[in-house]
Amino acid sequence: SQTIHQWPATLVQPVGSPLSLECTVEGTSNPNLYWYRQAAGRGLQLLFYSVGIGQISSEVPQNLSASRPQDRQFILSSKKLLLSDSGFYLCAWGRQGVTEAFFGQGTRLTVV
Amino acid sequence: SQQGEEDPQALSIQEGENATMNCSYKTSINNLQWYRQNSGRGLVHLILIRSNEREKHSGRLRVTLDTSKKSSSLLITASRAADTASYFCATEKGSQGNLIFGKGTKLSVKP
Repeated sequence: SQTIHQWPATLVQPVGSPLSLECTVEGTSNPNLYWYRQAAGRGLQLLFYSVGIGQISSEVPQNLSASRPQDRQFILSSKKLLLSDSGFYLCAWGRQGVTEAFFGQGTRLTVV
Repeated sequence: SQQGEEDPQALSIQEGENATMNCSYKTSINNLQWYRQNSGRGLVHLILIRSNEREKHSGRLRVTLDTSKKSSSLLITASRAADTASYFCATEKGSQGNLIFGKGTKLSVKP
């Protein structure tokens, strides 16, 4: 069976510090991978998606970047965090050609 | 911009009652999905309805789709306290599985 791991669950970082959130998927190959952000009480905003190793598409301009160094690994990064980067970050995967998405448990990021 | 918009934003009912949530969207779709999110957790896929379907059932869930009105509804029958969660509709943007979510309906089921 397939599983998705996302860590850490919570993170408190000072403004200006770097960020690295990691997501890995097990039990499948060549998945589509996604990073979403959810502001408090709001829906999800798609930040990045990837259809293969090294292939990253950004949906919105922002202070964040994403990388996919391996087939089942997706990393969300920032060189210098802003207060506005606070939120709930969710990694998800989906099969090629299938729209259902499977989500990780999320990372609550608080930038102070 | 949000493709799907759910209403109501919040819904509070007693255990055993039915809960109905609605979703409206703007552009044509191939399918529409509903997800559930427990507080502080990831989303879980509940059900998908295709554009050529009008109604679909899964256990206590019933989803309808009206493409002429660009709307969908999710009905949870005989609700339980464990159904307390936020519910989101989602439509697909493009062909890479990118999902556009609404802001969700926060359902509270009181025992």
